[in-house]
Amino acid sequence: AQRVTQPEKLLSVFKGAPVELKCNYSYSGSPELFWYVQYSRQRLQLLLRHISRESIKGFTADLNKGETSFHLKKPFAQEEDSAMYYCALSGGFGNEKLTFGTGTRLTIIP
Amino acid sequence: DAGVTQSPTHLIKTRGQHVTLRCSPISGHKSVSWYQQVLGQGPQFIFQYYEKEERGRGNFPDRFSARQFPNYSSELNVNALLLGDSALYLCASSRTPQGTTYFGPGTRLLVL
Repeated sequence: AQRVTQPEKLLSVFKGAPVELKCNYSYSGSPELFWYVQYSRQRLQLLLRHISRESIKGFTADLNKGETSFHLKKPFAQEEDSAMYYCALSGGFGNEKLTFGTGTRLTIIP
Repeated sequence: DAGVTQSPTHLIKTRGQHVTLRCSPISGHKSVSWYQQVLGQGPQFIFQYYEKEERGRGNFPDRFSARQFPNYSSELNVNALLLGDSALYLCASSRTPQGTTYFGPGTRLLVL
């Protein structure tokens, strides 16, 4: 079975402070991990995927297979980062369905 | 490009009724997936279609069915609606099953 756990439902961070959104996963094979974001009144959109190793909007995420984690980080929070963030897992070819965590609502305090 | 489009945006039904939700993928995308998002939860996978064939099915009862048409648009059908079917239903498309997934705005279904 594949499972994604986001332990924090709510997270508040001051503007300019570092941000870390936690994500742990359970999967028996080699998963592909994603972070999706939903800004207010917008649709769910991909923020980043681990295989691309990109930094999007200043966010990065490193896949730690030993700890089965894929935490999302940003060194300096901005007000426009306030949104709902979902961590998701895919099993790869033949098992492309996305399994989502319950999400973390990030609020940046001005 | 308008992105993934879904209709209707909102829907109210009563228990026992049937509902059909529609989705148009981004032009050139041949894979369509459906997700159910209950309030306070992340999206949960229902179906994936690729080239008009079912490629994956989530843990949902047989009351849920879907199909993909030759133009790659898709319908999700739910029979014998229950109160617990009230949710946001998301459609997503990608060029291939492994490609980047783009989500639609969703259809909000309320079952009374």
